[in-house]
Amino acid sequence: NAGVTQTPKFRVLKTGQSMTLLCAQDMNHEYMYWYRQDPGMGLRLIHYSVGEGTTAKGEVPDGYNVSRLKKQNFLLGLESAAPSQTSVYFCASSYWDEQFFGPGTRLTVL
Amino acid sequence: KQEVTQIPAALSVPEGENLVLNCSFTDSAIYNLQWFRQDPGKGLTSLLLIQSSQREQTSGRLNASLDKSSGRSTLYIAASQPGDSATYLCAVSSTGNQFYFGTGTSLTVIP
Repeated sequence: NAGVTQTPKFRVLKTGQSMTLLCAQDMNHEYMYWYRQDPGMGLRLIHYSVGEGTTAKGEVPDGYNVSRLKKQNFLLGLESAAPSQTSVYFCASSYWDEQFFGPGTRLTVL
Repeated sequence: KQEVTQIPAALSVPEGENLVLNCSFTDSAIYNLQWFRQDPGKGLTSLLLIQSSQREQTSGRLNASLDKSSGRSTLYIAASQPGDSATYLCAVSSTGNQFYFGTGTSLTVIP
């Protein structure tokens, strides 16, 4: 099993550009999450999904959109990137509350 | 909103020492608490999950306890090794859907 994978690993964007981060899991988990990790702030939940076709807002959803068209995939979109979105993004999935994390995507917005 | 605090932010100990990491949370009505390890530049690795009905969980040299009434959890690491050097994070869920993380304790074990 690959577990939770994230694509890409690194990305540099210019302000105003758009991009999509892909998260995939092969553990048949219902729940999936997107977090951002910033120095001194810990991990903060952006959006989450409790099953295929469902999404919900987390703690810091502004500037991001998500989609869960297939159970194994959870996409995070930035429509117009801002420097404040420079961060490390982690995807996670869970079964019975235990979360499993991907390796992260380091995003820099110039 | 649930607030999760981890003290100290950094800890340095000699190899072989037993140590305790602390996690406190403001809302005692939690669903579960999970401890993670994060190595530099890497993702989070789950160490222990404690359900709200449990008092502790053990895995190898690790033991995590939970006291909901006082809003505290501790992670005990026995006989520390240099390979234990990492950042340790705790996360609390009140609903099973949303998790709130502490900012972590950076542990250095000196050979």
